[in-house]
Amino acid sequence: GQQVMQIPQYQHVQEGEDFTTYCNSSTTLSNIQWYKQRPGGHPVFLIQLVKSGEVKKQKRLTFQFGEAKKNSSLHITATQTTDVGTYFCAGASGTYKYIFGTGTRLKVLA
Amino acid sequence: DAGITQSPRHKVTETGTPVTLRCHQTENHRYMYWYRQDPGHGLRLIHYSYGVKDTDKGEVSDGYSVSRSKTEDFLLTLESATSSQTSVYFCAISRDPNTDTQYFGPGTRLTVL
Repeated sequence: GQQVMQIPQYQHVQEGEDFTTYCNSSTTLSNIQWYKQRPGGHPVFLIQLVKSGEVKKQKRLTFQFGEAKKNSSLHITATQTTDVGTYFCAGASGTYKYIFGTGTRLKVLA
Repeated sequence: DAGITQSPRHKVTETGTPVTLRCHQTENHRYMYWYRQDPGHGLRLIHYSYGVKDTDKGEVSDGYSVSRSKTEDFLLTLESATSSQTSVYFCAISRDPNTDTQYFGPGTRLTVL
């Protein structure tokens, strides 16, 4: 079946360093979404990418969707302690459901 | 946050007992989802609904059943709870999975002893 792999599983960074998480799908996606989950909380939508090669920015966050629409990345510039949490990608492929990546847990050391 | 609630928020039960979790939305979204979240596995889809009385299985549906008799409510039932079903359960809603985001409920922490 369709799988979405996400790496790394964990990342510890010093505050001010950059952070990147990568998402790879076994099949072509119609769109990809990114979510952030704070410790003890629920996933919260960050952004959706639809077009091949699309790049979107939200302040210090940059999201990319690959040309083949099978991979994506989230890059955070100059991390802050408020960036702590788990980042998930979720892909849709024309059905009623989303397939989530396993998530990357980010820890930011002050 | 979208109008989506889950009840109960916490539950401790014993192996072999039936358990029902409720997801309630006030957004009139067509699609509803039940996920479980366990360390190292991310979010895994249990069942989903694409309309009233229309449901289908996700990747980890064994031991679970669902019902949706009206748009706003989606029930998840564990007929006979097992310790392997100890988890955090999230409900989510969406207008259209191919164009729209999902909105998640606050989660239910279930412990099966």
